[in-house]
Amino acid sequence: EPEVTQTPSHQVTQMGQEVILRCVPISNHLYFYWYRQILGQKVEFLVSFYNNEISEKSEIFDDQFSVERPDGSNFTLKIRSTKLEDSAMYFCANMLGQRKYNEQFFGPGTRLTVL
Amino acid sequence: QKEVEQNSGPLSVPEGAIASLNCTYSDRVSQSFFWYRQYSGKSPELIMSIYSNGDKEDGRFTAQLNKASQYVSLLIRDSQPSDSATYLCAVNNNAGNMLTFGGGTRLMVKP
Repeated sequence: EPEVTQTPSHQVTQMGQEVILRCVPISNHLYFYWYRQILGQKVEFLVSFYNNEISEKSEIFDDQFSVERPDGSNFTLKIRSTKLEDSAMYFCANMLGQRKYNEQFFGPGTRLTVL
Repeated sequence: QKEVEQNSGPLSVPEGAIASLNCTYSDRVSQSFFWYRQYSGKSPELIMSIYSNGDKEDGRFTAQLNKASQYVSLLIRDSQPSDSATYLCAVNNNAGNMLTFGGGTRLMVKP
């Protein structure tokens, strides 16, 4: 069964550095999402992406964040200047896109540690 | 502000018992409801989706939805130690839209 994959599994960076988190979605899925989960807290929505543009974003997704699908397959989340509070698990999720089946499937996540 | 509330637990049940997990949501226009299982340090794994009032059964799992009461539940029959995990309730109001998650209920199944 196809799965969402994410790289790297763990990223350690210094405060102020840029990081790019990568996701390879399930091939025929049309909707892409990024969520994050700070240790011990709820899973929080960041952004959704459909038809090569952002369709929805949360208050967390400020100007330091960006998403793109540079080559039609990978889906990336960039944080331009990381802060300590960006330390979290970042999950990519996909949805097939048919109205009846609006189930979102999550990748294994990237643990981001900002020092 | 959309809210999804769950009792954080832990909910402790003996092996073989029925575990009952509950979730309430605030947004009346919510249309789709999901239960995810999350093992410690892992990503959420979808185990059930439900869209209509009533019950939906899949193996040992039964999801129950009551839109009038804004209430979703998950029953796990014949609980196994491997069911020990945090169960996340999530809702959205339209296909393609963001999921709003509850804080999760930690389930412990004791042998």
